[in-house]
Amino acid sequence: EVQLVESGGGLVQPGGSLRLSCAASGFTFSSYWMTWVRQPPGKGLEWVANINQDGSEKYYVDSVKGRFTISRDNARNSLYLQMNSLRAEDTAVYYCATEAIWGSYRYLAYWGQGTLATVPS
Amino acid sequence: DIQMTQSPSSLSASVGDRVTISCRASQSISNYLNWYQHKPGRGPKLLIYAASFLQSGVPSRFSGSGSGTDFTLTISSLQPEDFASYYCQQSYTTPWTFGQGTKVEVK
Repeated sequence: EVQLVESGGGLVQPGGSLRLSCAASGFTFSSYWMTWVRQPPGKGLEWVANINQDGSEKYYVDSVKGRFTISRDNARNSLYLQMNSLRAEDTAVYYCATEAIWGSYRYLAYWGQGTLATVPS
Repeated sequence: DIQMTQSPSSLSASVGDRVTISCRASQSISNYLNWYQHKPGRGPKLLIYAASFLQSGVPSRFSGSGSGTDFTLTISSLQPEDFASYYCQQSYTTPWTFGQGTKVEVK
């Protein structure tokens, strides 16, 4: 059974940092692209970043470029999101998800339950 | 960035109703469109990928259609466990973008 378990959320002051982790099990982690998606309170889903299987390709939404870094450790079956220079608008539940690829089609096949990061205004 | 617009933002329905949710892209995305169900306190769940392909394990009352800029998610007969929020998402180009969501509530 695929399991994704996020951790590392919490309360941090503006300008501070948090490192989110996602522990993966039940599948061959090193074979999949991985993604972070967030949901601010009362709002919809926002794609944040993704990373390829060996970590050589990374993509970010403009609003986090230069502040957030996605990374992975395939030996530990873990995905990370280093969040620096945090702002109130970064307050959200952060989800990790596996990307499935079917031909040229890509979709988020499995999701974790999320971890809440709170940056007060 | 490609904007995804869902309608309606919310709807009230009864068990057994046929429910239709629309999603429009700001430019053509072919059929690079996915649908997710999201319940409070849980991670989203993939329902439909590539506009019309049912994810394994998802009940057949869910179906998707459309291509280009206009897409539809249909629930043929709403069940109690289907009360949730639904999101479309384009995977045509990064940044991937989601619709604002449609909340399906009890009538």
